[in-house]
Amino acid sequence: DSGVTQTPKHLITATGQRVTLRCSPRSGDLSVYWYQQSLDQGLQFLIQYYNGEERAKGNILERFSAQQFPDLHSELNLSSLELGDSALYFCASSPWGSGSGDNEQFFGPGTRLTVL
Amino acid sequence: EDQVTQSPEALRLQEGESSSLNCSYTVSGLRGLFWYRQDPGKGPEFLFTLYSAGEEKEKERLKATLTKKESFLHITAPKPEDSATYLCAVRSTQGGSEKLVFGKGTKLTVNP
Repeated sequence: DSGVTQTPKHLITATGQRVTLRCSPRSGDLSVYWYQQSLDQGLQFLIQYYNGEERAKGNILERFSAQQFPDLHSELNLSSLELGDSALYFCASSPWGSGSGDNEQFFGPGTRLTVL
Repeated sequence: EDQVTQSPEALRLQEGESSSLNCSYTVSGLRGLFWYRQDPGKGPEFLFTLYSAGEEKEKERLKATLTKKESFLHITAPKPEDSATYLCAVRSTQGGSEKLVFGKGTKLTVNP
């Protein structure tokens, strides 16, 4: 158990809908990272927040947004969902902002999103 | 563009049969190469970080090595519980923000 929690575990929804995925980092970790994992693309970095501020951005679509709250939990909002958004979404956390230490990231168990 | 390519995509071994997984990378100034293990239906689990060519790290039956262009994950006398997908990643600053760029992984199956 990494100490990172994600809810829900599974989510089934329809095209055009909006969903919110939630992540609670390990106690004391200030950084939260969001990743998308699909069979053809592998694990793709979406966005990072550090202590409430956006720190780094990857290939995140404009239909997707995220935020980190004062208690450090984070939410990933996915809107106008398409079939191609079906994937596993992982949250990870680390104590560091960037570039320091081993940058070990602790991954949660993921949310499996199915868009029908 | 910073890239990570892993080979083979899948590997089947008999218990005790040692082998190596390959991770080739292109990155502007390596600032860390990472190995993770991922079990089915779970999030990746950190294994190693390597920073410079010639560096080696070991953990139980696993040893990771690094050259200027690639990294190897050597598995000595594997057991069925070593079956997992092994992911390699590099720290990239491409696009102005720091992130991990992952390969697609090598799915390892160790048969008893």
